[in-house]
Amino acid sequence: AQTVTQSQPEMSVQEAETVTLSCTYDTSESDYYLFWYKQPPSRQMILVIRQEAYKQQNATENRFSVNFQKAAKSFSLKISDSQLGDAAMYFCAYRGLNFGNEKLTFGTGTRLTIIP
Amino acid sequence: DAGVIQSPRHEVTEMGQEVTLRCKPISGHDYLFWYRQTMMRGLELLIYFNNNVPIDDSGMPEDRFSAKMPNASFSTLKIQPSEPRDSAVYFCASQRGTGGNEQYFGPGTRLTVT
Repeated sequence: AQTVTQSQPEMSVQEAETVTLSCTYDTSESDYYLFWYKQPPSRQMILVIRQEAYKQQNATENRFSVNFQKAAKSFSLKISDSQLGDAAMYFCAYRGLNFGNEKLTFGTGTRLTIIP
Repeated sequence: DAGVIQSPRHEVTEMGQEVTLRCKPISGHDYLFWYRQTMMRGLELLIYFNNNVPIDDSGMPEDRFSAKMPNASFSTLKIQPSEPRDSAVYFCASQRGTGGNEQYFGPGTRLTVT
């Protein structure tokens, strides 16, 4: 079974600075997908960014980028120019590639606080 | 599109009562997922459907939980009888097709069992 580990329960960053959230995972599959979801106080789950394991290029979405290290099974999220609206819980998630393996396996989350 | 719709948003019930949570997925999405979020266990999958057929129900905690998807636009998650340890936020999510397609989450139902 796949597992996802987020070792930082809480992080804080000064507004406009850069912060990196860590995620590691364990799998025996060679191809899969990785995701970062954001959950603000409204509790709505919002997709931030996704990465296909068969792509070597790291995904980017505006101020959000990932550092995907397949051999190390590491998938960190970098938030540049942090904004107050980035304050939320961030969840790393894994999904397999094959049919019948569509479920998301989540880490325990990192609570990000933005300091004005 | 209205997104994934869940009802009710909040539910407070007494132990032993039946609880029914409802979900309307995004039109055209062929996958529907039920997740549960608790402080102790985090976010975990309960069950998911493809084209209204249950594919993986290994996360359903016990026989008190049941889920149905009678058609492509409606699903229910029922707990009978409810217990205090069932208190959680229950999310429904839907997805179009396979692969890395995004799962769109509903706003969740916060269930409190007293």
